[in-house]
Amino acid sequence: QQQVKQSPQSLIVQKGGIPIINCAYENTAFDYFPWYQQFPGKGPALLIAIRPDVSEKKEGRFTISFNKSAKQFSLHIMDSQPGDSATYFCAASANTGNQFYFGTGTSLTVIP
Amino acid sequence: ETGVTQSPTHLIKTRGQQVTLRCSSQSGHNTVSWYQQALGQGPQFIFQYYREEENGRGNFPPRFSGLQFPNYSSELNVNALELDDSALYLCASSLSGAPGYTFGSGTRLTVV
Repeated sequence: QQQVKQSPQSLIVQKGGIPIINCAYENTAFDYFPWYQQFPGKGPALLIAIRPDVSEKKEGRFTISFNKSAKQFSLHIMDSQPGDSATYFCAASANTGNQFYFGTGTSLTVIP
Repeated sequence: ETGVTQSPTHLIKTRGQQVTLRCSSQSGHNTVSWYQQALGQGPQFIFQYYREEENGRGNFPPRFSGLQFPNYSSELNVNALELDDSALYLCASSLSGAPGYTFGSGTRLTVV
């Protein structure tokens, strides 16, 4: 059973657009929600993370929106660039530093 | 500060053989986690090691085993390889009690 459900599977946007990737979870014990970026041939790299006590977090062009009651969170990429083309994974964990449950990934393509 | 390094980068094995993958954790990190990432999927947790002991295990059979050494480096061993074991194997290091992982670039294992 997929603990974290991610959509869409793929996304194509024009440069400057704002792609949005959504994730949903069921386990209310989850208390840490990171997003990872993965380029081909590389391991995932931590992009930004949020805890359930805040509804939004911004770091540069990346923003996480978190809806605790709906058990959903999303990643927004402002002013997207071709260099943002990668696969993005949401994840969740119940204990700090312990097992992470990953979504199935979203392949983002930003067209120049 | 060095990142997480994994070796080898690529490996081809025959069904039924055994394989050992290696990981050097990031400087200052004392916890190592291993993940399996099938093509087009998100990483799946195999197990985590802390203080040279297994500290959590995902839904993987006993033929997946590991070690952590006093310098926090780690090995993943897989016995009786099956075709479905073909995947990218990711090592991630972290500091116990701190959120987030640093992933290595992975070992691409192909079982034929």
